[in-house]
Parts: sequence; structure tokens; C-alpha cells
Amino acid sequence: EAGVAQSPRYKIIEKRQSVAFWCNPISGHATLYWYQQILGQGPKLLIQFQNNGVVDDSQLPKDRFSAERLKGVDSTLKIQPAKLEDSAVYLCASSLEGLAGNTDTQYFGPGTRLTVL
Amino acid sequence: AQSVAQPEDQVNVAEGNPLTVKCTYSVSGNPYLFWYVQYPNRGLQFLLKYITGDNLVKGSYGFEAEFNKSQTSFHLKKPSALVSDSALYFCAVRDPSNDYKLSFGAGTTVTVRA
Repeated sequence: EAGVAQSPRYKIIEKRQSVAFWCNPISGHATLYWYQQILGQGPKLLIQFQNNGVVDDSQLPKDRFSAERLKGVDSTLKIQPAKLEDSAVYLCASSLEGLAGNTDTQYFGPGTRLTVL
Repeated sequence: AQSVAQPEDQVNVAEGNPLTVKCTYSVSGNPYLFWYVQYPNRGLQFLLKYITGDNLVKGSYGFEAEFNKSQTSFHLKKPSALVSDSALYFCAVRDPSNDYKLSFGAGTTVTVRA
């Protein structure tokens, strides 16, 4: 079974530029998550999709971050404009669950390492 | 308040010795607990989880973890560590009182010396 795919793996941009990340979840997984992992910290949830609908985006800085999952499969996360503090690894994860499937395991992609100069 | 804590930033053990990575949680109700491992420049890999039932959970690569409700702990263990176990380990909890969001500890770096 193929895992969660993410691209690009690395990205270096200057502050105030924009950047986009792509994620393709495990086939058949209804739920998709984007996490931000700052160096030395555990991942922090940014947004959760159930199929193509947003379940939770309470931690997403909506003035600069946006995400979509238009067809309920792959997803993009965008930052515009980027700030220095956005330097982090952006992880995508997916799980089988419906909303009541809280015991399901989240499987993570390799992440995109963003450096903002 | 932090839902899950990993009290040790680093754990160092010799190859062949037992390995323990500590995790405590502070959520109400019945939490769902997970361990993940992260190798350099890699994503998080799932090791094991506790949902209900037997307090001792066995997972991948010879790891196991014991759920202790009275001590609110979920320590990760391996009887005989390998150099290849050197990595960053994260404990995580799905909190019933917080819409079952997955919250991670800060991570523990494990170094196994030959």
C-alpha cells in the first residue's frame, strides 16, 4: 500500500513570497490533516479535512495560510505571504475514519521542509 | 494545559540494554494514546497505540508500551535496544474532551551507542 505522498520535499523562499505544498493521502482515506512541526517541537495541527469539507481549522493562521481539498483526495496548503517564523516542516497525514472513528491511526507523509529567509 | 508530556529531552543507552521513553498525559475521560518515531528527514512512523483492553500494547520493531491509568502514563519500552533505534520519539494523545484532536509531546531523542 502506497503511503502519504508530499511534494516538494524542500523549499527555500524569501519572506513575503508565497509557497504551496501538495499532499496525496493513502487511497481510501477520508480524513486528511496538515501539521506544522517547528524544530524542537511536536507537530501542531493546522487543519483537518473530512472528504472535501473542513472539520477543524482553528489553529490555521487564516490571514496568510489557506488549504483546500477540492475533490476529496489530494490537498494543497498555501502560505502567502511567508514570514520568517513559518520556517518549519509541514506534515500531511491521513486516516480512514469518519467523524466517529477517533481510534483510527493517522499515517504521515515525509513532510516538506520550508526555510524562509 | 499540555495534554501530553515527555519529561526527558534525551535518552542515551548502550546497544543491547533496555530502552524506556517516558510519557505522561493529562486528559479527562479515556484517552487514546499513540507512539510515533521520526528518523532524520523522514515523516512520523506509527509504532503502536492503546485504545482499550490489555494495558500492554505491542507494536512495530519490537517496541511495546504499557498504559497505566493510575499514573496517567504510557511509557515506551524495548527490551534490547539497537543502534538503528536512534531517532526522535513522539508520544501523542487523542483527547476526548478536545474533539479527539491528536496532540503531541515535544519529543525525546534516543541515542543508542554501539
